[in-house]
Amino acid sequence: ILNVEQSPQSLHVQEGDSTNFTCSFPSSNFYALHWYRWETAKSPEALFVMTLNGDEKKKGRISATLNTKEGYSYLYIKGSQPEDSATYLCAFLNSGNTPLVFGKGTRLSVIA
Amino acid sequence: KAGVTQTPRYLIKTRGQQVTLSCSPISGHRSVSWYQQTPGQGLQFLFEYFSETQRNKGNFPGRFSGRQFSNSRSEMNVSTLELGDSALYLCASSQTGNDGYTFGSGTRLTVV
Repeated sequence: ILNVEQSPQSLHVQEGDSTNFTCSFPSSNFYALHWYRWETAKSPEALFVMTLNGDEKKKGRISATLNTKEGYSYLYIKGSQPEDSATYLCAFLNSGNTPLVFGKGTRLSVIA
Repeated sequence: KAGVTQTPRYLIKTRGQQVTLSCSPISGHRSVSWYQQTPGQGLQFLFEYFSETQRNKGNFPGRFSGRQFSNSRSEMNVSTLELGDSALYLCASSQTGNDGYTFGSGTRLTVV
């Protein structure tokens, strides 16, 4: 069973703070690492799909890095805003015929 | 372009009944995956279908089944409902199953 771990489980930050969280995944048979944002009462929305070791992707104030050799990815949010409040999910896909496996997410609350 | 459509949005059933949920993917997407989300749990993988074939199946009892039609629309069926089947059921589509997923709004099933 593939295990995807996310930390912390939840996080409260002040508006304007920068923050980051971690996703750990198996380092063998890597194919892709996904990040999603899931706002309350909405559907999960894809942020990034990362495939190469050392990948860095950016979307506005949100960026992500990937280390496939050690099996982790970081998601960074610069200058957090209340609208960034959501659960951030990472998901791992290996190179075998297995499904996309999700972590339990990091719940971010940005306080104005 | 139309997103992923799940019907119905809400459903209340009694124990022992059966239920069918529907998912229409984005046009051109051939992969449809189903996930279950319960409080405190992450997204638990149910099935993945690609071009009408079940490509992967999660660790759920045989009461959970699914299928995909030639137009890529997918259904999942749960027979002999139990209280523990109460959950949000999400489907997601992608072009190949290896790229970013687009999620539907989900079906919230309550079993009483």
